[in-house]
Amino acid sequence: DADVTQTPRNRITKTGKRIMLECSQTKGHDRMYWYRQDPGLGLRLIYYSFDVKDINKGEISDGYSVSRQAQAKFSLSLESAIPNQTALYFCATSHPGTGGTGELFFGEGSRLTVL
Amino acid sequence: GQSLEQPSEVTAVEGAIVQINCTYQTSGFYGLSWYQQHDGGAPTFLSYNGLDGLEETGRFSSFLSRSDSYGYLLLQELQMKDSASYFCAVRDRGGGATNKLIFGTGTLLAVQP
Repeated sequence: DADVTQTPRNRITKTGKRIMLECSQTKGHDRMYWYRQDPGLGLRLIYYSFDVKDINKGEISDGYSVSRQAQAKFSLSLESAIPNQTALYFCATSHPGTGGTGELFFGEGSRLTVL
Repeated sequence: GQSLEQPSEVTAVEGAIVQINCTYQTSGFYGLSWYQQHDGGAPTFLSYNGLDGLEETGRFSSFLSRSDSYGYLLLQELQMKDSASYFCAVRDRGGGATNKLIFGTGTLLAVQP
């Protein structure tokens, strides 16, 4: 089983719908992240969380919200999806022990299409 | 702000050596990391340079020059399976130990027989 699991892996929805992408991890890491990937734009940080009580905005948080339900769970919500939120979304984790190396552990991604 | 520049595409032949460059502009610098991504799959960590010089891990090496705000990833003895996208990333100024990384736009490496 994957250490960082994202659900759903693929989702097609319509403009205006509320969407939640879920991430769970078995690595025991405190730190979790949501990134968005668009062709030619690389990975951009949406939100990150240091622990259950800590939530921080990244580069592109507008139109998104997150919830850290437990150490192992970090969900991303689009309250009213729009077509330019069509992208590949990645959840990632990191551990203080790897804090000096820039090592993130990524899930397999959730491909979201907004029509 | 932060920005990282990489070539968009690189092509090389099997068995050859290829270098992927990365230049960065950041308000603070805490090290340069490299990631590999196959066909939209999960990015995987390859290497990290916190200090100037060369770090070697098997067929892959990574170099950093902080005075030049420049680094590169060197892949030797290229194999077909090395065909992938490669991203450089720097820790954001406020990142500290959080690994809040800013990624480059990626270099698509195509290895030809």
